[in-house]
Amino acid sequence: DSGVTQTPKHLITATGQRVTLRCSPRSGDLSVYWYQQSLDQGLQFLIQYYNGEERAKGNILERFSAQQFPDLHSELNLSSLELGDSALYFCASSVKDRDRTDTQYFGPGTRLTVL
Amino acid sequence: GIQVEQSPPDLILQEGANSTLRCNFSDSVNNLQWFHQNPWGQLINLFYIPSGTKQNGRLSATTVATERYSLLYISSSQTTDSGVYFCAVPFWGYQKVTFGIGTKLQVIP
Repeated sequence: DSGVTQTPKHLITATGQRVTLRCSPRSGDLSVYWYQQSLDQGLQFLIQYYNGEERAKGNILERFSAQQFPDLHSELNLSSLELGDSALYFCASSVKDRDRTDTQYFGPGTRLTVL
Repeated sequence: GIQVEQSPPDLILQEGANSTLRCNFSDSVNNLQWFHQNPWGQLINLFYIPSGTKQNGRLSATTVATERYSLLYISSSQTTDSGVYFCAVPFWGYQKVTFGIGTKLQVIP
């Protein structure tokens, strides 16, 4: 158990809908990272927050948004869902702001299926 | 963007054997990370390794940044080493992170 929790574990929804994925980092970790893993695109880094502020953006679509709240949990919002958004979404947390000496701890992921 | 190639794509080993996984990248990077995803999907951060060699138990990694490759060594493999190994570059700073497609390792008893 990495100490990072993600909810829900599974989510099935329809095209055009909007969903919210939630991530609670390990106690004391200030950075949260979101990743998407799909059969088509492989693993992709989406976005990183540090202590409530956006720090780095990867391949995140405009239909997706994220935020980190004062209690440091983070939410990833996916809207106008398409079939291609079906994927495993991972959250990771670390103590520092993307420091090369820092370790990221991954949650178990949320499997999103868009029908 | 940076291209990342991993080889081999698939590897089957007998328990106790050693293996070397390779990650080539197309441009200079200031860092590189290796991950392991177990058969149940859990991702684990193995190494941050911009250059040189690091060791962690039976696993070690070497990055030769000037020649744009990194190697992950697994010695005395165990069935728990099965899964997919990914490398990603760069993994520091705020540049776009690119993952390789992974090496799928199966260790058989």
